Amino acid sequence: DVKVTQSSRYLVKRTGEKVFLECVQDMDHENMFWYRQDPGLGLRLIYFSYDVKMKEKGDIPEGYSVSREKKERFSLILESASTNQTSMYLCASSSLGAPPNTGELFFGEGSRLTVL
Amino acid sequence: SQQGEEDPQALSIQEGENATMNCSYKTSINNLQWYRQNSGRGLVHLILIRSNEREKHSGRLRVTLDTSKKSSSLLITASRAADTASYFCARLETSGSRLTFGEGTQLTVNP
Repeated sequence: DVKVTQSSRYLVKRTGEKVFLECVQDMDHENMFWYRQDPGLGLRLIYFSYDVKMKEKGDIPEGYSVSREKKERFSLILESASTNQTSMYLCASSSLGAPPNTGELFFGEGSRLTVL
Repeated sequence: SQQGEEDPQALSIQEGENATMNCSYKTSINNLQWYRQNSGRGLVHLILIRSNEREKHSGRLRVTLDTSKKSSSLLITASRAADTASYFCARLETSGSRLTFGEGTQLTVNP
């Protein structure tokens, strides 16, 4: 079974702190994604990556950066956390696979971040 | 909004009843997928329907797709209390290679 592991389920940080959210997948998936989920807004894509050292902006990249140094690991970085970044963060991965790409995502359990 | 629209936003039913959730979208799609999310957890893929399919079944789940109306529905038959969760539709657009999610339907199944 695919396993996507997010390093922290719950974090509490202070405004201005640098925050790292780590995500590791064990199925050799090419694609990895970071979403944030807020009540009434659904899932919004922050960044995604199709390959090592490659990144693409999603719909709401402002205030975030990412790093993908190894295929299995995709990190989300909040350079200077702000209270409006309090949210549930979800990492996901998918296989490029044979065409057509189904796009089926495998999600981690989520990291709930509170910024005080 | 370019996201899928789901309705109802919330649905409360009794165990044994059927639950129907709807999803509409605005662009051409490659496929449409449904996911489930238990409270405070990650999403789990339930079922995928391709743009050239009209109906698909998986256990107690039935998904339909009407590309002319740009809409899909998820039917859960003989619901159970354990079906209580949020359900999201997500579409893979023909022009892109990533999923776009709707805002979800919160289903509560009362024992």
